[in-house]
Amino acid sequence: GQQLNQSPQSMFIQEGEDVSMNCTSSSIFNTWLWYKQDPGEGPVLLIALYKAGELTSNGRLTAQFGITRKDSFLNISASIPSDVGIYFCAGQINKGAQKLVFGQGTRLTINP
Amino acid sequence: ETGVTQSPTHLIKTRGQQVTLRCSSQSGHNTVSWYQQALGQGPQFIFQYYREEENGRGNFPPRFSGLQFPNYSSELNVNALELDDSALYLCASSLGPSGKNEQFFGPGTRLTVL
Repeated sequence: GQQLNQSPQSMFIQEGEDVSMNCTSSSIFNTWLWYKQDPGEGPVLLIALYKAGELTSNGRLTAQFGITRKDSFLNISASIPSDVGIYFCAGQINKGAQKLVFGQGTRLTINP
Repeated sequence: ETGVTQSPTHLIKTRGQQVTLRCSSQSGHNTVSWYQQALGQGPQFIFQYYREEENGRGNFPPRFSGLQFPNYSSELNVNALELDDSALYLCASSLGPSGKNEQFFGPGTRLTVL
């Protein structure tokens, strides 16, 4: 089935550092989304991107929808301890069912 | 406003048994999707229900079935459980099946198959 390749798989950084992660696909998606999942919780939406080339910010988070509609990146600036968690990218075709295709996740660990 | 809730939180079953997982959608939401999340992986789409009808299905065998009730709550049923069915099962609800409607996830049910 469809798969998104997300990298890196894990990151170990110091508090205050900037973070960058990305996602690529062999398929075109009409929507790209970035989620964060904390232990014992479901994923929570951080940023949604609807147009190729779109750059969107949400506080310290910035994400871009690749111009080919096959990739996206997420940047986190000035990381803080509560940024720890697993970040997932997800693509959506917007045709028929509201089906999300998720990447494998990036586990972010922050050393204080 | 109550968010998406799921029950039970944890469940242990043995191979060959059947299981039913439940999901209450967020108030006002008529669309529910189910996802399976294996350990260390991203969630995988199982199926979606919209106004009590299946509205799309992922690559899962027929022993995965579902229901949506008039109050838009939903059940996921899995028959003839296999060891590989051990996973976190997530339910997500939204205002409708349009791609612009955000899906809100519940905390999940952790299923262990022995």
